[in-house]
Amino acid sequence: GAGVSQSPSNKVTEKGKDVELRCDPISGHTALYWYRQSLGQGLEFLIYFQGNSAPDKSGLPSDRFSAERTGGSVSTLTIQRTQQEDSAVYLCASSLVPLAGVGYNEQFFGPGTRLTVL
Amino acid sequence: AQKVTQAQTEISVVEKEDVTLDCVYETRDTTYYLFWYKQPPSGELVFLIRRNSFDEQNEISGRYSWNFQKSTSSFNFTITASQVVDSAVYFCALSGGFRGGGNKLTFGTGTQLKVEL
Repeated sequence: GAGVSQSPSNKVTEKGKDVELRCDPISGHTALYWYRQSLGQGLEFLIYFQGNSAPDKSGLPSDRFSAERTGGSVSTLTIQRTQQEDSAVYLCASSLVPLAGVGYNEQFFGPGTRLTVL
Repeated sequence: AQKVTQAQTEISVVEKEDVTLDCVYETRDTTYYLFWYKQPPSGELVFLIRRNSFDEQNEISGRYSWNFQKSTSSFNFTITASQVVDSAVYFCALSGGFRGGGNKLTFGTGTQLKVEL
């Protein structure tokens, strides 16, 4: 079946503009994660969705960042008033529902969206 | 807080050499999971292995092997008889198991491996 897909693959924007990044998880995966990979910060967690709710937003770097998920499927990460430090590759991953207590379900990563803020 | 340290920023070897990538982690969780991912130049993260904290048995998969030692909080990755196709950035990662944050991963900074002819 299809893997995690992300769009666009590349996005170039001007400082101050808003951008939307999209993630289509693997069908049936209720858990969805956003990560960011940048030169200065490495790979870092941004937000986690279980269904349509986001129980952990602790990784969002500022209130310019927001994300939503609809229908327990597609997720959109929105960055408002982009800054040059937002330039990074934004990765999305999905998995089956995390197991409570002991257990782990594999995260499958998409190809990422490379965001460049001029 | 969880932390993963990959002290080796870049390693260069000649093809057929063995190479070990180091990973040291910190966590207060008694149950946790450790991972290695490969990121080739194409950019996509490729899962290599997952280990549970309660299973310290080392694992071998073809030319890859992993040494997990809880006593030293290390999870090292060895590639035997390296090949040019092994050239990539390798990430070690840690997950503290289920909480409100699901199974979010904490990554190390990565080791760039260059295998030359």
